[in-house]
Amino acid sequence: DAGVIQSPRHEVTEMGQEVTLRCKPISGHNSLFWYRQTMMRGLELLIYFNNNVPIDDSGMPEDRFSAKMPNASFSTLKIQPSEPRDSAVYFCASSPLYGYTFGSGTRLTVV
Amino acid sequence: GQQLNQNPQSMFIQEGEDVSMNCTSSSIFNTWLWYKQDPGEGPVLLIALYKAGELTSNGRLTAQFGITRKDSFLNISASIPSDVGIYFCTAVDSNYQLIWGAGTKLIIKP
Repeated sequence: DAGVIQSPRHEVTEMGQEVTLRCKPISGHNSLFWYRQTMMRGLELLIYFNNNVPIDDSGMPEDRFSAKMPNASFSTLKIQPSEPRDSAVYFCASSPLYGYTFGSGTRLTVV
Repeated sequence: GQQLNQNPQSMFIQEGEDVSMNCTSSSIFNTWLWYKQDPGEGPVLLIALYKAGELTSNGRLTAQFGITRKDSFLNISASIPSDVGIYFCTAVDSNYQLIWGAGTKLIIKP
């Protein structure tokens, strides 16, 4: 198994641009999580899906953030418009129940 | 909300030394997990604990699930350079979601 696959690994974008982060979970894992990691706040859960359905999006910071999971093998996290304070590492993780497997993350820099 | 207090925040140690870190909570949990994050990577699961009092080893790593179910401990014996990184304790809540500690950053002195 290739593990949780995230793309891109690095993204640099200008303030105001739309950013889309992608995640392919491990096949058979029915839960998917999006986390954001910064030095100041550590790991923050943004949203999680169970069987492709968003269960809890209370961690999504603002309406500028949206996440979708159109099928069991793909999820996106979109930021529109992006702002410098969105700069962070965004992780996707998948899990059969708990004991998550994390992807390598997308390092987002908004300038 | 539920919180985990993880200590210490960081550790400077000599290669070969033993390392201890812990996590405490005011809430009871039935599952504790320890993760390690290497620079530039996502956290990786090291050890899972499912029973109060349980002591589980993974190579040089040993973790314990506290008898009160409110704490957990991780020990690393004879540290080596590749042990550097951030160690996170997590506990599984009643909705099967992870509650995260703030992490312990392990740094090995040259």
